[in-house]
This record gives sequence, structure tokens and C-alpha cells, in this order.
Amino acid sequence: AQSVTQLDSQVPVFEEAPVELRCNYSSSVSVYLFWYVQYPNQGLQLLLKYLSGSTLVKGINGFEAEFNKSQTSFHLRKPSVHISDTAEYFCAVSSISNFGNEKLTFGTGTRLTIIP
Amino acid sequence: NAGVTQTPKFQVLKTGQSMTLQCAQDMNHEYMSWYRQDPGMGLRLIHYSVGAGITDQGEVPNGYNVSRSTTEDFPLRLLSAAPSQTSVYFCASSYADLSYNEQFFGPGTRLTVL
Repeated sequence: AQSVTQLDSQVPVFEEAPVELRCNYSSSVSVYLFWYVQYPNQGLQLLLKYLSGSTLVKGINGFEAEFNKSQTSFHLRKPSVHISDTAEYFCAVSSISNFGNEKLTFGTGTRLTIIP
Repeated sequence: NAGVTQTPKFQVLKTGQSMTLQCAQDMNHEYMSWYRQDPGMGLRLIHYSVGAGITDQGEVPNGYNVSRSTTEDFPLRLLSAAPSQTSVYFCASSYADLSYNEQFFGPGTRLTVL
């Protein structure tokens, strides 16, 4: 079984300040990792994903995330946030399996609020 | 290319009523799924389908039925609505092998059961 923990349910940040949203996962097999963003009253859209290779992954809108296998983490970062980054952010994990029943498990989400 | 569409956007039901939430995609994706989103609980998988004629249960299937007669459509049926089914429902689709492919989400249906 796999699981995702997002410890921070809400993160307020001043505009132009840096931000880190934390994500830890648990799985008995190798995983793929994702960050999705949900803007107010919209569906989710993919920010970035880690499949293999470089542990630093760059996504849209200036976000990046670093995969740390030893700490089972996949934290999301942005060096300078903008008002338009106000949204809910979801970390998700899928386990690499040969059984054809892959599922995506989502964390509970972190609501990022940008303070002008 | 409309992507993933869902209807209706809003719905209010009385306890015991039934209804169908519609979902369609025009990207020829094999995989489709339904999630519910509740405050503090993230997204939970209700049912999913890996192709026409094939469906399976997710994490919270009770009270919901699905069918997949075509690649494009994946309706979700509430058999007898209960207040516990008040939620926001999202349909999503992706190419086969969900493990590494991006899921595309619809705009959601906000359901209230009185």
C-alpha cells in the first residue's frame, strides 16, 4: 500500500517571499511522484512529476521539487511567490507495478495563501 | 479539443433521490476515474476504468455505480443519495498506465444532498 502525507494544511506567505510545501510518502516499491495544483473553483492540473533521472524536477509557473529517496520526501518550492499562486496544492504518488492496476494516491492538500 | 467535461456543475438532491453525473473526454484516453473531494481529506478514488467495458472499485465505492460503454463517456450513478455524499466530484482521464501519465481533470460537480 502507498500513502502520502502533507503535514501543512495551510501555508500563508508574503508576496515575493520563498515557499516550501512539504510532502512525504510511503511505499514498499519504487514510486512516481506528482504535484497537482487546484485554483479556486477549478479542477486539478499537473505542476510537475518525477519519474526517474535528476532528482530536481522543474515544473510550470516557476515551481520545482526535489525527490529525496532516503527521506521519502518530494517537497515543492518556489523562490518568489506571486498573488496568482494562491491555490491548493496536492502531492500524489503511484507505485510502479507490473499488475496493471496502478492507482494514484493523493495527499490531503496544502492551501497556499499569498499575502500582498 | 474540449478535454474533460462534466455536467451538471451544481446539483441539489433530496435524500433517497438518484441521479447520474456525466463525464466525457475527447482525448481518446483509455483510463478514466471518478474522485470525490472533501475538506481535509484530499481526493479519494470512487471507481475507475481502464477501457470500454472494464470498471473497478476504488477506495470509496459504496453508494455509487459506473459503466463504460464507450471510450469517451464514464457516467457516475448515485443510486439513493445520502447526506454523506455531499461533496465535489471530479472526473479524470489519462492514457493507459496511470502510474506515470498525467491525469486531466474536469471542472467538477458540486453536489449537495439534503
